[in-house]
Amino acid sequence: KNEVEQSPQNLTAQEGEFITINCSYSVGISALHWLQQHPGGGIVSLFMLSSGKKKHGRLIATINIQEKHSSLHITASHPRDSAVYICAVDNNDMRFGAGTRLTVKP
Amino acid sequence: EPEVTQTPSHQVTQMGQEVILRCVPISNHLYFYWYRQILGQKVEFLVSFYNNEISEKSEIFDDQFSVERPDGSNFTLKIRSTKLEDSAMYFCASSLDRTEAFFGQGTRLTVV
Repeated sequence: KNEVEQSPQNLTAQEGEFITINCSYSVGISALHWLQQHPGGGIVSLFMLSSGKKKHGRLIATINIQEKHSSLHITASHPRDSAVYICAVDNNDMRFGAGTRLTVKP
Repeated sequence: EPEVTQTPSHQVTQMGQEVILRCVPISNHLYFYWYRQILGQKVEFLVSFYNNEISEKSEIFDDQFSVERPDGSNFTLKIRSTKLEDSAMYFCASSLDRTEAFFGQGTRLTVV
């Protein structure tokens, strides 16, 4: 069983739509990270969460420690948001989800 | 803006050869990491490094692999006797305080 499960695996949206990507994990963690992997392969850290909610521009990340669940939301999605979004949990090492491939169509 | 730099961006090597992947972390960062991503698969943790020694390593990081911070700026990953299955994108990351991690652009290793 994967320790970090993401859903959906693939997501296609129209420009302007509100996007939600979910992450569930089964291990104890000190923090959860949301990462963005661009089509060229580069990885950018979006958020690090240990509780509550964080917002950066059109991106919002929430975490519920008791339920071992986190969500990444994108408001007013844009084609440039198209990327793979990866959830990773920090438990001395980092365990990664398989990623959610988001395609935003104009 | 400070960034993590990895070289080379692409390395092709013959099976059985040794390769060294190089990373220059952000200068005041204290924690350093190597990850790999086999094509089409998820990112996997290899090793973390702090205070000049390995702090954590995964099952993947066996005797074939080693890491070094030879001169206070570079952070290298050495893979001895490369195998076809070592072909992957290798990412270096650094962190000041184990909170936010900054990733390099990756080195694509192709073993032929």
